[in-house]
Amino acid sequence: KAGVTQTPRYLIKTRGQQVTLSCSPISGHRSVSWYQQTPGQGLQFLFEYFSETQRNKGNFPGRFSGRQFSNSRSEMNVSTLELGDSALYLCASSLSQGSNSPLHFGNGTRLTVT
Amino acid sequence: AQRVTQPEKLLSVFKGAPVELKCNYSYSGSPELFWYVQYSRQRLQLLLRHISRESIKGFTADLNKGETSFHLKKPFAQEEDSAMYYCALQAAGYALNFGKGTSLLVTP
Repeated sequence: KAGVTQTPRYLIKTRGQQVTLSCSPISGHRSVSWYQQTPGQGLQFLFEYFSETQRNKGNFPGRFSGRQFSNSRSEMNVSTLELGDSALYLCASSLSQGSNSPLHFGNGTRLTVT
Repeated sequence: AQRVTQPEKLLSVFKGAPVELKCNYSYSGSPELFWYVQYSRQRLQLLLRHISRESIKGFTADLNKGETSFHLKKPFAQEEDSAMYYCALQAAGYALNFGKGTSLLVTP
């Protein structure tokens, strides 16, 4: 079974631009979560989607948004990029919500904002 | 609010020595607790969860509700255990909340 796939692997953007990151979950997984990983803050939760509905949202500004499609694939968008948005963005999928479904992570998208 | 604290950013031990990675949490309810691991150049993956009460790769972790801790232990560290370890808490209806991680270095 293919793992969680995130595209692109690397992105370089300038301040003020917007960016879209994509995540394909493991086949059959219906829940997708997004995390921002930085050296100083570790893994910070962005959003969680299940069956195309946002179920949980982290403490990030409205510039960060996401969605999930009917095939469970997910995208996240960051508008008006700031230097502080430079990070590794991780996507994780699970069969369903809740602790009985462990998260399976992708390799991440490394975003650099200049 | 839920909080996961891993007090050590870096832990260095010799091969064959016991290792304990500390994790403390704050949550008023009954949490589900996990340890995730990230080896060099690999993706983050689940190591173990308290509900399973299992030993994976020689690691165990016991939930101590009195001390609100979920420390990860292994009696004899191996070089291949060198990795980044994250403790995580999941409260009912909430997303998985991670600590900031501890980098374990096992030296020969």
